[in-house]
Amino acid sequence: AQSVAQPEDQVNVAEGNPLTVKCTYSVSGNPYLFWYVQYPNRGLQFLLKYITGDNLVKGSYGFEAEFNKSQTSFHLKKPSALVSDSALYFCAVRDIGSSASKIIFGSGTRLSIRP
Amino acid sequence: DTAVSQTPKYLVTQMGNDKSIKCEQNLGHDTMYWYKQDSKKFLKIMFSYNNKELIINETVPNRFSPKSPDKAHLNLHINSLELGDSAVYFCASSQGAGSTDTQYFGPGTRLTVL
Repeated sequence: AQSVAQPEDQVNVAEGNPLTVKCTYSVSGNPYLFWYVQYPNRGLQFLLKYITGDNLVKGSYGFEAEFNKSQTSFHLKKPSALVSDSALYFCAVRDIGSSASKIIFGSGTRLSIRP
Repeated sequence: DTAVSQTPKYLVTQMGNDKSIKCEQNLGHDTMYWYKQDSKKFLKIMFSYNNKELIINETVPNRFSPKSPDKAHLNLHINSLELGDSAVYFCASSQGAGSTDTQYFGPGTRLTVL
């Protein structure tokens, strides 16, 4: 069965520093990977996805993520954090062999950027 | 120009009542979903419809019944509400039901059962 893990409940970073939010996955075939962000009292917003091709994927708000097949990871990164990046971040996975629309979300990582 | 909208935003009700949450998308998408987010922020899919046909039905009590009158709407009706139904319910849509399709979420409906 497919699964996704976000090992950190919370990540704290100073503004201007680089940030990383970790995600590892387990699927039976090739993965399709997604990152979403949830601001307080809002729905999830799509940031980026990896389907195939270049392992480094660029997304919204200056975020990027690196697909690493050998480590089964898809960590979210940003070179310089902003206070406005503070939010809840979800990694999600589908595998090619899964039923058409089912996507599995990680437990979420709360990112806190201090001024 | 809200892409995926839900009503109501907040719903407070007594145990045993029946309530509905409505969802509409103006993106022209074929596929719509309902998710439940619990108090620990864990997000789990409940249902999915593609072109008004039910394609995903997770292990959800049969008190929950989705209805899709057309491709742009997916409503969720809940009978005999229980305390454990308290959560935030998110509607989402995607262009199609394929594995690469990005899902776009509504703002959520916070349901509180007293």
